[in-house]
Amino acid sequence: DAKTTQPTSMDCAEGRAANLPCNHSTISGNEYVYWYRQIHSQGPQYIIHGLKNNETNEMASLIITEDRKSSTLILPHATLRDTAVYYCIVRPQSNFGNEKLTFGTGTRLTIIP
Amino acid sequence: NAGVTQTPKFQVLKTGQSMTLQCAQDMNHNSMYWYRQDPGMGLRLIYYSASEGTTDKGEVPNGYNVSRLNKREFSLRLESAAPSQTSVYFCASSVIWARTGHGELFFGEGSRLTVL
Repeated sequence: DAKTTQPTSMDCAEGRAANLPCNHSTISGNEYVYWYRQIHSQGPQYIIHGLKNNETNEMASLIITEDRKSSTLILPHATLRDTAVYYCIVRPQSNFGNEKLTFGTGTRLTIIP
Repeated sequence: NAGVTQTPKFQVLKTGQSMTLQCAQDMNHNSMYWYRQDPGMGLRLIYYSASEGTTDKGEVPNGYNVSRLNKREFSLRLESAAPSQTSVYFCASSVIWARTGHGELFFGEGSRLTVL
């Protein structure tokens, strides 16, 4: 049973903001939302995470709805190097690292020149 | 700082052969994971290890065995390779921040396995 739902693919013009949605309607109160991306066939790379507040770092912003059932990853000024598959996952707050972390098929984002 | 290192990067096997994929991390992480990724698909968890000496099955463990040799190393073994195991295999490790319970995954560059 998938814990997150993402569109299969999206396009975005270079220089514009890319907004990638994720639905996690069954998220629990102690679960974080994480975003990763995978460029070409490289290993996935961590982007950002959040629990209930909006978050921003040097790569992206994460907007989580008040009910926490969905979130949006924002790449403010997309470049061609942002073309990748983006994965949204939920992960329990844990001190043990013993949770099964599953990735779906993600969103394939294509930045158009 | 090498991060997560996987060997070999490429391997071709014949059906029925065995092999071991090696993974090592130098970040002192407790948790380690093995994923496979088939063409055009997402990542599926094979096995994971929350700490040295413990391992647990993921989504697709059949046909694989793992060993958490020590805190640094987590190996994946195919005892009798099958064409259905042709895939890219990724190892990952994770830090857990005790104060927040947050932890991000760090991935290796992958091992590309073809079974003929």
